[in-house]
Amino acid sequence: DIQLTQSPPSLSASVGDRVTITCRASLHISSYLAWYQQKPGKVPKVLIYAASTLQSGVPSRFSGSGSGTDFTLTISSLQPEDVATYYCQNYNSDPFTFGPGTKVNIK
Amino acid sequence: QLQLQESGPGLVKPSETLSLTCNVSGGSISSSAYYWGWIRQAPGKGLEWIGSIYFRGSTYYNPSLKNRVTISVDTSKNQFSLELNSVTAADTAVYFCAGQGAPRVFFHWGQGTLVTVSS
Repeated sequence: DIQLTQSPPSLSASVGDRVTITCRASLHISSYLAWYQQKPGKVPKVLIYAASTLQSGVPSRFSGSGSGTDFTLTISSLQPEDVATYYCQNYNSDPFTFGPGTKVNIK
Repeated sequence: QLQLQESGPGLVKPSETLSLTCNVSGGSISSSAYYWGWIRQAPGKGLEWIGSIYFRGSTYYNPSLKNRVTISVDTSKNQFSLELNSVTAADTAVYFCAGQGAPRVFFHWGQGTLVTVSS
């Protein structure tokens, strides 16, 4: 089964900072990776799929890259409304595992 | 716009069976474009995929829960359901139903329902 790890587990950054979150898969998953944002008390929502395709309506400060086993989610200029936990998810094959999450706060 | 809504008991006793239903509106559960899944989130924890089903009946389960989980679909009611048996306190979580589009990303989510396992 494919396992996903994320780093860092949490981070604090200032408004306007560039933030990078990484996700590593235990097996090659091509570009079958999605990123979700979950704000406190809210339902998760898709930010990016196919590793780098921005979901409709998602601000362009979010971007994704990578393929194979190593992936990155970047927020180019952190905004207060970006405080959330971010999860990566494999959908190459079942089990459709999620990563453990990265909690992003404002410094 | 596809909408999903979970329903079921909010309290289940240990060793009993947790049963939830997800009502799908704004689209057909028989659509070939979708898989239908369940995800849960224990208090303060991350997201855990439970399993998914295709309307024709193909099911995919998390290996860690496979022995206790059944997901089924009722096309006549445009619903799909989750059963998790032999529950313990560790199964206390918010349970989400979700629609996996093409690609198999969870594009559509229900609001989630908290299920507490306690006597």
